[in-house]
Amino acid sequence: EPEVTQTPSHQVTQMGQEVILRCVPISNHLYFYWYRQILGQKVEFLVSFYNNEISEKSEIFDDQFSVERPDGSNFTLKIRSTKLEDSAMYFCASSGPGSDTEAFFGQGTRLTVV
Amino acid sequence: GENVEQHPSTLSVQEGDSAVIKCTYSDSASNYFPWYKQELGKRPQLIIDIRSNVGEKKDQRIAVTLNKTAKHFSLHITETQPEDSAVYFCAAHRGYQKVTFGIGTKLQVIP
Repeated sequence: EPEVTQTPSHQVTQMGQEVILRCVPISNHLYFYWYRQILGQKVEFLVSFYNNEISEKSEIFDDQFSVERPDGSNFTLKIRSTKLEDSAMYFCASSGPGSDTEAFFGQGTRLTVV
Repeated sequence: GENVEQHPSTLSVQEGDSAVIKCTYSDSASNYFPWYKQELGKRPQLIIDIRSNVGEKKDQRIAVTLNKTAKHFSLHITETQPEDSAVYFCAAHRGYQKVTFGIGTKLQVIP
């Protein structure tokens, strides 16, 4: 069964450093998303991406965040200058063509900012 | 935007009893309502979903109901087992738009 894969599974970084979280969505999917889950809290939407541009972003997704689909298969989330409060599990998701479809989630990257 | 309310936040049941989790949504345009089970440190896993043109759906011990008029939807788990213990999230969205999650319900099934 196809699945969304994310790397790394765990990233530890120093405050102020840049991190790039990587995702490989399911190959025929057209819509891509990043979500964040702070420990013990709900899953929160960050950004959606379609047709090589951001289609929607939340208030969390400020200027320190950016997304890219550099090569037609990877989908990356960059955090430019990490803060302690960026520590969370980051989930990538993708969904297929057409409407009313399930979003498939990757296994997540646990980001720890120290 | 969409807002999903979920309750209860925690639920303890005896093994074999039923568990019910309730959600409400605000955006009448939402037409897809998935339920996710999340075990500690893992991804949300879809367990059942319901679309707005359906009132009820069942899959073995799990059922979901949807009341579009009231904007309510519920998850029912019957004959609960210890392995059902997890956090359950309801969610709502329309087509390919972002998924809006509820706050989650921590279900504990006591053997």
